[in-house]
Order: sequence, then structure tokens, then C-alpha cells
Amino acid sequence: EADIYQTPRYLVIGTGKKITLECSQTMGHDKMYWYQQDPGMELHLIHYSYGVNSTEKGDLSSESTVSRIRTEHFPLTLESARPSHTSQYLCASSEFERGYGYTFGSGTRLTVV
Amino acid sequence: GENVEQHPSTLSVQEGDSAVIKCTYSDSASNYFPWYKQELGKRPQLIIDIRSNVGEKKDQRIAVTLNKTAKHFSLHITETQPEDSAVYFCAASEDTGFQKLVFGTGTRLLVSP
Repeated sequence: EADIYQTPRYLVIGTGKKITLECSQTMGHDKMYWYQQDPGMELHLIHYSYGVNSTEKGDLSSESTVSRIRTEHFPLTLESARPSHTSQYLCASSEFERGYGYTFGSGTRLTVV
Repeated sequence: GENVEQHPSTLSVQEGDSAVIKCTYSDSASNYFPWYKQELGKRPQLIIDIRSNVGEKKDQRIAVTLNKTAKHFSLHITETQPEDSAVYFCAASEDTGFQKLVFGTGTRLLVSP
């Protein structure tokens, strides 16, 4: 079934570690996004991509980086995790021209200890 | 850039009552307004959307209204049921070009039996 997949679902990691959160979609969407969701619910855009080799920073300053080497894959990397990075990270994709709004992945809940 | 305000932050109703959530946006170029429902521990799911060429859209017990002049849009849920309990997000964007959704801060709806 065409969908958007995130792994891992949960991650607990020590301060200073490098981590990569995976996001893959099988819908053929050009546009992909990473949102950070507070415990208080708000969704903040941290990165987005319009297609292969295109990445932009979002509205919320983030110490993470992203890459888009393949259409279906949009990983997010934290070079050195800190407790302030503890949050839920949601990946999404869209293709408005074909009538598809955002589809979200199930998220990665990251805890940095 | 776009700014979306959402009210109320929390809404408690009795089963069978109606619920209304309101959002305002700032960018007159926005023309796509989706609503997402996020149940506890799950991903946000699109429940209804509206484009600026229409003023109202209905889908069974849910409806969305849009007032472009006043730059506000609302979600109406009639005959609420306990399974409607969730966090609801409004959002706004252009539906061409960048297509970056800007989300409201969310409304936690609790429907009591």
C-alpha cells in the first residue's frame, strides 16, 4: 500500500550521539517535509524539499540536517544529540497538483538522555 | 509569512452536542485550508479541506466554512461522539508553488459520554 514510513518509531539515545531518522514514501510525491511536534501539540516546520537535490530550512531553527538523493527518501540527521532535541519528529509528503495534500508518517519519538 | 491562529485550545462537549473550532490566517495569498485530526499516539490525518473558490464544504458530520474577506475559517462537528475526541489542527497554504502548510496551535477536543 502506498504510504509514508518512518523508522524508528521510538528512540532513546545518549547526549552527543549522531542519529539519523529515516523517512520513505512510496506515493511518488515530489515534496517532502519534516515537522517537530512539541509535547504541547504545536507542529513546527524544520526542513522541506521540493525534489531531488533540493532542501530548505523551515521556520523553526534546527540543528539537524536533511538530504534528498532519491525522490522517495528524506532522512533527517542530528550530528550531536542534546536533551533539547527530545521531541516527536513527523515526516510528510505532498503532491497538490495531483490533488494530494499532506500525508504524514507515524512519527519518531526521540528522547535524548 | 503566513501566521495561523486557532481557538479554543481546549474544548469539552457532551456527546451529541456540536463543536466549532475557529482559525484565522494572515496571508491573503493562501488558498488551501485543510483540517487534520490527531488521535493520541497517532499521526495527523486529513479529515476535510477547502479551497478559496468555495465558501463551505460538508462531509457527513463535519463541515468547514471559509470567509476570505475576514481571513477566517472554521470546523464544525455535529452530533459529536466520543471517538471524535482528539487534537484538531487547522492549516493554510498556497496550493501551488511551495505548498508549505502553516499549522494552527491545535485544539484538544474532549467529547464526554
